[in-house]
Amino acid sequence: EAGVAQSPRYKIIEKRQSVAFWCNPISGHATLYWYQQILGQGPKLLIQFQNNGVVDDSQLPKDRFSAERLKGVDSTLKIQPAKLEDSAVYLCATRAGNQETQYFGPGTRLLVL
Amino acid sequence: SQQGEEDPQALSIQEGENATMNCSYKTSINNLQWYRQNSGRGLVHLILIRSNEREKHSGRLRVTLDTSKKSSSLLITASRAADTASYFCATPTSGAGNMLTFGGGTRLMVKP
Repeated sequence: EAGVAQSPRYKIIEKRQSVAFWCNPISGHATLYWYQQILGQGPKLLIQFQNNGVVDDSQLPKDRFSAERLKGVDSTLKIQPAKLEDSAVYLCATRAGNQETQYFGPGTRLLVL
Repeated sequence: SQQGEEDPQALSIQEGENATMNCSYKTSINNLQWYRQNSGRGLVHLILIRSNEREKHSGRLRVTLDTSKKSSSLLITASRAADTASYFCATPTSGAGNMLTFGGGTRLMVKP
């Protein structure tokens, strides 16, 4: 089966600009997660979706970050406006049914100058 | 704060040697997972161990779990250069939604 797809793979922007990341989950995976991974650290959960509904977004900086999964399949994560400290890899992961295993995409590496 | 913390942060060994990485966590869990991340890639699930299991094997991987000490270890036997990666433990975050909290990871380098 095809894995989790993410695009773009790399993005360089200047601070205060906007950026959007896209994730296409494994077919049939109802649960989708967005993580932020700062260099040298483990992934930190930003938001979790179950189908098109938000399960948890308590760690999402809502003043600048937003995410949606309108049709319960693809998801986008947006940052507006970006700050220098947003430089990180943004990982999308999905999970099927009651499985505990999460399947990760390759990530989008963001550099904010 | 992170639920799991790996130790050591970095490990460098020769091919053929064994590599042991440790993970400590803070709250009660019903399972613990280990993931690998190659440079520039996403994470890949390696193994899951449940709270009623003390040891689990998968190929060259051996995972132990000591719930009384709130710790787990990942042993990679007969390491290969291809095992060079970062290894993370992950535990269920308290609350709903089957969310995971990842540790800071151990960066393993296996020299040929």
